[in-house]
Amino acid sequence: QSVLTQPPSASGTPGQRVTISCSGSSSNIGSNTVNWYQQLPGTAPKFLIYSNDQRPSGVPDRFSGSKSGTSASLAISGLQSEDEADYYCAAWDGSLNGLVFGGGTKLTVL
Amino acid sequence: EVQLVESGGGLVQPGGSLRLSCAASGFTFSNYWMSWVRQAPGKGLEWVANIKQDGSEIYYVDSVKGRFTISRDNAKNSLYLQMNSLRAEDTAVYYCARDSPDYWGQGTLVTVSS
Repeated sequence: QSVLTQPPSASGTPGQRVTISCSGSSSNIGSNTVNWYQQLPGTAPKFLIYSNDQRPSGVPDRFSGSKSGTSASLAISGLQSEDEADYYCAAWDGSLNGLVFGGGTKLTVL
Repeated sequence: EVQLVESGGGLVQPGGSLRLSCAASGFTFSNYWMSWVRQAPGKGLEWVANIKQDGSEIYYVDSVKGRFTISRDNAKNSLYLQMNSLRAEDTAVYYCARDSPDYWGQGTLVTVSS
């Protein structure tokens, strides 16, 4: 049982826009910034979004993040086949004194 | 280019010990918090521990407290994870990661089995 809650799966067709939610609490998302990671099969996670809505250099602007209260979202527009991957949200938890991750969302491009 | 290269994984019996190492390059290692994050086979990511730039602050996930020890050697640009009293549920790929984390190594597999 992960501290942050994500839907286990999401899907969309090429060109569509999909969103992935991440729900937490006042001790994590409610008081700290959220990062998002993309993990392609058999590879290490890749830094996708930091500080709720910032993209590291090299990440396409098709990827965007937002946060409101104790929830965050990742949006992917213009869906492409290479976006098929697992996506994780993460935030520091001040009560646990540790970094917490969501359980991950497997994105399928139909 | 930032590089993080883990080593030291392998097969170990329950109750055994293992020491993981992470060699960092391409950035000023002593300026960053560092972390270990693991991923059990077919499962999600789990943060294990992190350590401040000078080692003065360290945090662990509850499940490894008292068994794992994170440390660093800034002179050698290296991060370590000493794992004792290993259990089957510690079986995972262990990633070395920088800061947020932003950069990740490729991981080293630890298998705890008899």
